[in-house]
This record gives sequence, C-alpha cells and structure tokens, in this order.
Amino acid sequence: NAGVTQTPKFQVLKTGQSMTLQCAQDMNHNSMYWYRQDPGMGLRLIYYSASEGTTDKGEVPNGYNVSRLNKREFSLRLESAAPSQTSVYFCASSSGTANTGELFFGEGSRLTVL
Amino acid sequence: EDQVTQSPEALRLQEGESSSLNCSYTVSGLRGLFWYRQDPGKGPEFLFTLYSAGEEKEKERLKATLTKKESFLHITAPKPEDSATYLCAGETSGSRLTFGEGTQLTVNP
Repeated sequence: NAGVTQTPKFQVLKTGQSMTLQCAQDMNHNSMYWYRQDPGMGLRLIYYSASEGTTDKGEVPNGYNVSRLNKREFSLRLESAAPSQTSVYFCASSSGTANTGELFFGEGSRLTVL
Repeated sequence: EDQVTQSPEALRLQEGESSSLNCSYTVSGLRGLFWYRQDPGKGPEFLFTLYSAGEEKEKERLKATLTKKESFLHITAPKPEDSATYLCAGETSGSRLTFGEGTQLTVNP
C-alpha cells in the first residue's frame, strides 16, 4: 500500500528558480494538504484542498501555488524560489472534508534554496 | 491566537522508565486534539484523537489523556523502538490544525 507518495524526495534550487512538488494518494481521500516543517516552528499549513476542484490558503501561502489535478493528485509550485523556502515539505490527505485532524502524511520532500 | 505548546522539548529515558509528555493548548473552540509520531526522515504517523475532557485512548505502551487545558501522552515501560518525535495538534472550530513543535523522545536500552 503506497498511501501518500511525494516526489522528489530531495531538491536543491538556486534563488529564483522554479519547481513543482508532486503528491499522489491512493486512499480515495477527498482532502489533501501541503505543510512545511521548519526547526522550532512546527508544521505549518501552506494550502489545502477540501475536494477535487477546490483549493484554499493556509497559514503560510505566500510564494506558493497549488493545483488539485484530480482526486488523487495535489501539486505545490514555487514560482521563484527564495532561501526562506528552504524546508521539508509534507503532503497529507484525509478522508473527511476540509482540514480534519486524522491525516496521512507522505515521507517529505527536502528542499534547499541557495 | 491559537497556540499549542509541547514540553519537554527533549526527553531521554531508560528502557522501562515510564514518563509523560505534555501538550498544553490555547485554541478557541477546540474540536479535537491529535497525537502523531514522527520518525527521523519520515512523515508524521497518526496515533490518537481526543475530543472531550476526560477522554482516554490507549495503544500498546501509549495512553493519551485530555483535560480542558492540556493533553498528556503517557508512555509505560518504553522500549528503544518508541524513540521518535511526538507531535500534538489542536483542531479549532474553523477546522484548522495547529501543531506543536514536538517532543523528541529517546529511549536507551
């Protein structure tokens, strides 16, 4: 059982470059989320999607865009990466409607912006 | 502002030495309190949901409890494989999760 799959697992970017983090879940969940995790900050919500075709901003959306491509896939795009976006990014999904607490997480994408 | 604070930041135990982790919250209209386990280099793994004061949930050596102001994760006779970072999160009436920074638990054999 794959659960939530994120790609890539590691990425190094230069300031100003763009990239897309991919996420797919195979649990037929309605809701999907993107979080970032930084030392001393805890997990912070970037964007979420309560259902296919809808997306909403979370706590720290600036500098990011998302696309809910279909029920399975939810991508996160950095249009012009900045060093402040160096972080570990986690995609998660849940069966309920928006932002319920029982989340299933991927293994993370570690991004370094130089 | 919603806030979830975990203590201690780090905890070292000997195998078999029971202890508790604390999660205090100031969250308006708390709908649920969640505990997760996170191993190094992995994503968080859901453990428990608590909805009301007085509620308790158990899983193997772990027991989570909830009061009106805080939650405890009790670890009874821990083993080295219980070593991980434990995260708690509060869900508000606005259906948002606020995570604490976690407690890094190390259990030495």
